[in-house]
Amino acid sequence: NAGVTQTPKFQVLKTGQSMTLQCAQDMNHEYMSWYRQDPGMGLRLIHYSVGAGITDQGEVPNGYNVSRSTTEDFPLRLLSAAPSQTSVYFCASSYSGERGARYEQYFGPGTRLTVT
Amino acid sequence: SQQGEEDPQALSIQEGENATMNCSYKTSINNLQWYRQNSGRGLVHLILIRSNEREKHSGRLRVTLDTSKKSSSLLITASRAADTASYFCATAPFGGNKLVFGAGTILRVKS
Repeated sequence: NAGVTQTPKFQVLKTGQSMTLQCAQDMNHEYMSWYRQDPGMGLRLIHYSVGAGITDQGEVPNGYNVSRSTTEDFPLRLLSAAPSQTSVYFCASSYSGERGARYEQYFGPGTRLTVT
Repeated sequence: SQQGEEDPQALSIQEGENATMNCSYKTSINNLQWYRQNSGRGLVHLILIRSNEREKHSGRLRVTLDTSKKSSSLLITASRAADTASYFCATAPFGGNKLVFGAGTILRVKS
């Protein structure tokens, strides 16, 4: 199993540009989530999904969109990039949909995004 | 706002010593999890302790949970240079489905 994969590893955007961060898992996990990590602030939840077709907001959802058309994929879209979105983004997945947060999370390697 | 707060923010010890990190949280939880993050990498799950458990062991790791004080501690015994990493606690709030992470403790083990 590849586990959780994320692409790209690094990305530089200009203010106002849009892009999609890709996340895929091959473990048939129902629960998937996106976090951003900023220095001294730990990980903050952006959006999460308990299964295909179901998504919900986390702690810091503004400026980001998600969709979940398949169990495997959970892309994160930046609508109009801002310097405040410079961060490292992590995707994670776990067993169980409705109670996914209660289980061990499997993390991807991260995408380091810089917005200039 | 963050649910979990780790203490200390940074810890530097000699190889062979024990390392203790603490986590406090604010609301009732279903469970508390500890993760490790090596520099530039994703997080790796270490251990999960349920709200009805008081202590759990995994190899050189010992986790305690005190729900009356809303706190947990992670003890790493006989530390090694390879234990150098950031350690995060994460809480699964009771009745919710969002795992909330603290800011982490940076552990440096000197050889």
